[in-house]
Amino acid sequence: DAGVTQSPTHLIKTRGQQVTLRCSPKSGHDTVSWYQQALGQGPQFIFQYYEEEERQRGNFPDRFSGHQFPNYSSELNVNALLLGDSALYLCASSLTGYSYNEQFFGPGTRLTVL
Amino acid sequence: DQQVKQNSPSLSVQEGRISILNCDYTNSMFDYFLWYKKYPAEGPTFLISISSIKDKNEDGRFTVFLNKSAKHLSLHIVPSQPGDSAVYFCAAFQGGSEKLVFGKGTKLTVNP
Repeated sequence: DAGVTQSPTHLIKTRGQQVTLRCSPKSGHDTVSWYQQALGQGPQFIFQYYEEEERQRGNFPDRFSGHQFPNYSSELNVNALLLGDSALYLCASSLTGYSYNEQFFGPGTRLTVL
Repeated sequence: DQQVKQNSPSLSVQEGRISILNCDYTNSMFDYFLWYKKYPAEGPTFLISISSIKDKNEDGRFTVFLNKSAKHLSLHIVPSQPGDSAVYFCAAFQGGSEKLVFGKGTKLTVNP
């Protein structure tokens, strides 16, 4: 079992561009959550996807959007990139209905906005 | 507004001694608390958790204590080992929410 995988590992973009990050959940998991971890901060919840729909959203602007595919994989899209969007983006997968413990994180995608 | 606070950015202890990592929270609606460990270039991994109906949970060398009246929890690692050196995040869930709220983390260094 490969666990949660994310791609790409690193990404460099310039202000105003758009970016798409990808996540494959752990085998058997049906729920994907995305977090942003800025330097020196803890991860911040962006949103969660279940059954291809956004189930809950954190305090992030509409520039942040997502998608979940029928195979449960997910994408995070960020439009009109700002310098402040530079961060580590973490994806976590879980199986709906199970305990909070069962949330597994991927290694993250490091996004740098210049 | 930081609902989960880890006020010590770093902690250094000697191998074999006890490590105590602290966490405070402000939202009294939180009902489940977790500790995650994070190594560089890896995602956070779950370590131990505690429900708000308990005041202590143990798992091997790791014990989490919860003081609801003080809105405080702590993670004890005994004995500390060099492999425990990592960043530790305290996190909390509010019942009915899918949102996990993290603190800023404490970097633990265990010296041989």
